[in-house]
Amino acid sequence: AQRVTQPEKLLSVFKGAPVELKCNYSYSGSPELFWYVQYSRQRLQLLLRHISRESIKGFTADLNKGETSFHLKKPFAQEEDSAMYYCALSGLNSGNTPLVFGKGTRLSVIA
Amino acid sequence: KAGVTQTPRYLIKTRGQQVTLSCSPISGHRSVSWYQQTPGQGLQFLFEYFSETQRNKGNFPGRFSGRQFSNSRSEMNVSTLELGDSALYLCASSGGQWGGDEQFFGPGTRLTVL
Repeated sequence: AQRVTQPEKLLSVFKGAPVELKCNYSYSGSPELFWYVQYSRQRLQLLLRHISRESIKGFTADLNKGETSFHLKKPFAQEEDSAMYYCALSGLNSGNTPLVFGKGTRLSVIA
Repeated sequence: KAGVTQTPRYLIKTRGQQVTLSCSPISGHRSVSWYQQTPGQGLQFLFEYFSETQRNKGNFPGRFSGRQFSNSRSEMNVSTLELGDSALYLCASSGGQWGGDEQFFGPGTRLTVL
């Protein structure tokens, strides 16, 4: 079964400080990992996915298959990064695997 | 392109009633997924439809059902409502062939069960 764990419900950091949002997963096949973000009063939207290897809004995430982790990082947090972040997992190129979300981490960036 | 739309946006029902929620995906998207979002459980997968067929189903009781029409619009139905069904119900559409492609979310329907 697929499972995504985000150990922190709330993470508070000061503006300009580094940010790391943790995500661990459990899946027997080849995983496809995503980070979704929900800003205040906005829809849930894709932030980045591991296969694209992009850096979006300064955020990066590396898939570590050995540690089954996909932590989200940003070197210098900005106030506009305050939002709810969800890690999600699916099976790579698999029509039989739904997208499963973690419970989310609320990031609060303090000025 | 217009985004995913959901109707109604807010709904108040009483225990024992049933409810139908509607979702219109982005034009051209054939996959529609439904999620239940609550403060305690986060986002939980309900089911996914692709080309009018249910492709995946989450661990919800049979009171939760859905369907997809030939124009890809989808509805979900909850019968015999319980207090615990109060939640934000999110619909998401995807243009890919497989369930894990990028999901585009609607604004949600806020269901309150009294």
